[in-house]
Amino acid sequence: DAGVIQSPRHEVTEMGQEVTLRCKPISGHNSLFWYRQTMMRGLELLIYFNNNVPIDDSGMPEDRFSAKMPNASFSTLKIQPSEPRDSAVYFCASSLLTGLAGGEQFFGPGTRLTVL
Amino acid sequence: EDQVTQSPEALRLQEGESSSLNCSYTVSGLRGLFWYRQDPGKGPEFLFTLYSAGEEKEKERLKATLTKKESFLHITAPKPEDSATYLCAVQAYDKVIFGPGTSLSVIP
Repeated sequence: DAGVIQSPRHEVTEMGQEVTLRCKPISGHNSLFWYRQTMMRGLELLIYFNNNVPIDDSGMPEDRFSAKMPNASFSTLKIQPSEPRDSAVYFCASSLLTGLAGGEQFFGPGTRLTVL
Repeated sequence: EDQVTQSPEALRLQEGESSSLNCSYTVSGLRGLFWYRQDPGKGPEFLFTLYSAGEEKEKERLKATLTKKESFLHITAPKPEDSATYLCAVQAYDKVIFGPGTSLSVIP
């Protein structure tokens, strides 16, 4: 298996632009998680899905952030409009079991986002 | 307030010099504690899950233990390839909280 796939790996954009990050989870996994990692705040859970359904989006910082999972093999995290403080590494992870109690999450390589 | 702290922030060891990393937590209703390893430029890699006080897990040179308020990751006779940032995470009800990590450097 190729593992969790994320694209793009790097994204540089200007403030105000729309940014879309993409994730393909491991086939057969039932949960998908979006995280953000910064030096100041560490790794933060933004939202997670069970069987393609958003369960908890309380970590999404603002209404500018939205996430979708139209099917079991694809998810997007969109930021519109983007701001410099959104600059971070965004990770997608998937887990075989549903919910946070699954424990073992497989992380993708991340997307490094820079908003100028 | 739910919180996870890790110490030390950074640790430098000589190859073969055993040591321990600490993860302390204050959360309501612990569901599980997880240890991850993160190499520079990569996503975290799962190591262990601990669910109850007294539980221990081992993998190669690593051993994780759990008490009611903290967890330790013991590294026995580390090698340079063990150099990485080690993250612990705590699941409490419907949220997971990651600690800031310990950056480990093992010098040959």
